[in-house]
Amino acid sequence: GAVVSQHPSRVICKSGTSVKIECRSLDFQATTMFWYRQFPKQSLMLMATSNEGSKATYEQGVEKDKFLINHASLTLSTLTVTSAHPEDSSFYICSANRGRGEQYFGPGTRLTVT
Amino acid sequence: GENVEQHPSTLSVQEGDSAVIKCTYSDSASNYFPWYKQELGKRPQLIIDIRSNVGEKKDQRIAVTLNKTAKHFSLHITETQPEDSAVYFCAASRGSGGGADGLTFGKGTHLIIQP
Repeated sequence: GAVVSQHPSRVICKSGTSVKIECRSLDFQATTMFWYRQFPKQSLMLMATSNEGSKATYEQGVEKDKFLINHASLTLSTLTVTSAHPEDSSFYICSANRGRGEQYFGPGTRLTVT
Repeated sequence: GENVEQHPSTLSVQEGDSAVIKCTYSDSASNYFPWYKQELGKRPQLIIDIRSNVGEKKDQRIAVTLNKTAKHFSLHITETQPEDSAVYFCAASRGSGGGADGLTFGKGTHLIIQP
């Protein structure tokens, strides 16, 4: 158990457009999901915590109006990168909390903004 | 906030030897310490974790130790095999008690197993 999917796996978009990334927990319910960002050959940085039925909480320095998070159900969280710019190009990975702190990660989404 | 330091950044060992990766954390309220293995282009995979009420945990060739007083924890891999080659990340959070806290990651260790 503890399978998390993420879609799309890769996306290329033009500067100024918006991109939506979906994260689903397939075999368990997750009241909390997390969004991380990973630059090449670097570690994962927590961006925000997605809470089912309530507003997301963002880490310091992460613009909430740029990275919109919606946790519509116990198995789905979405991240929308609005007005994307080349500096937003990165690997975005979600995780789902299965309880007692255990987090299982999705396969990630490679975003390239041209 | 929490700060997690991880060493070494690169570790090369001969196949069959042991590998040890060390991490320190700063937040005394952290109570959950997972280790993830990430292969190139793939998702991080949880390989073992430890909670603050335990000093050591073992799963076959992998073990983790925790010293709460010194705020450090370590990953030990014995009898290393070529498939152990990957980047390993340690992390810390306050999530063990049932609350949901995000993970603070170390910078990662690139483990290379030499045949």
